[in-house]
Amino acid sequence: AQSVTQLDSHVSVSEGTPVLLRCNYSSSYSPSLFWYVQHPNKGLQLLLKYTSAATLVKGINGFEAEFKKSETSFHLTKPSAHMSDAAEYFCVVTGGSQGNLIFGKGTKLSVKP
Amino acid sequence: GAVVSQHPSWVICKSGTSVKIECRSLDFQATTMFWYRQFPKQSLMLMATSNEGSKATYEQGVEKDKFLINHASLTLSTLTVTSAHPEDSSFYICSAVSGGSYEQYFGPGTRLTVT
Repeated sequence: AQSVTQLDSHVSVSEGTPVLLRCNYSSSYSPSLFWYVQHPNKGLQLLLKYTSAATLVKGINGFEAEFKKSETSFHLTKPSAHMSDAAEYFCVVTGGSQGNLIFGKGTKLSVKP
Repeated sequence: GAVVSQHPSWVICKSGTSVKIECRSLDFQATTMFWYRQFPKQSLMLMATSNEGSKATYEQGVEKDKFLINHASLTLSTLTVTSAHPEDSSFYICSAVSGGSYEQYFGPGTRLTVT
């Protein structure tokens, strides 16, 4: 069965410092992995996706993630946090045959001025 | 492209009544649509998967008689919460997939409050 574990429920950084949101996955086959962001009272927005191409995936707003099969990880990073990055971030893996998604519990990112 | 809308965005209803939520793919045909539920400060939980023209597949623990899903066309799926109770208050989110694609496009969500 497929699953994702987001290792931190809350991450707080200062503006201008790096962001690291950690995600480990479990999958019985080669997975597709995603990071979504959800701002308060807004819909989900796809940040980036991994689909067995390049292991370093670049997304929107300066985010990127690296797929590491040996570590079963797909951590999300950004070199320099901005106040507008404050939101909830979800690591997601594809599930069953119909392509349903399995969401991690989410990591709330706070950015301090 | 790939826009999914939901209507209404926010609804308040009285306990015991039913409420219908619409999910539309505006610029593509959605062979499959998914319905999720999100409790405050929690993750999204898949409720059901619907394919156009066939019965929805419900996840374990989701009452199919309470959460009626109809995927009548390639651009519209509806979720009806029947005999709503306060514990059904939640944020309901739909997503849609076009044929041959794995990527889901999410609607903005519908906040249901049952009083």
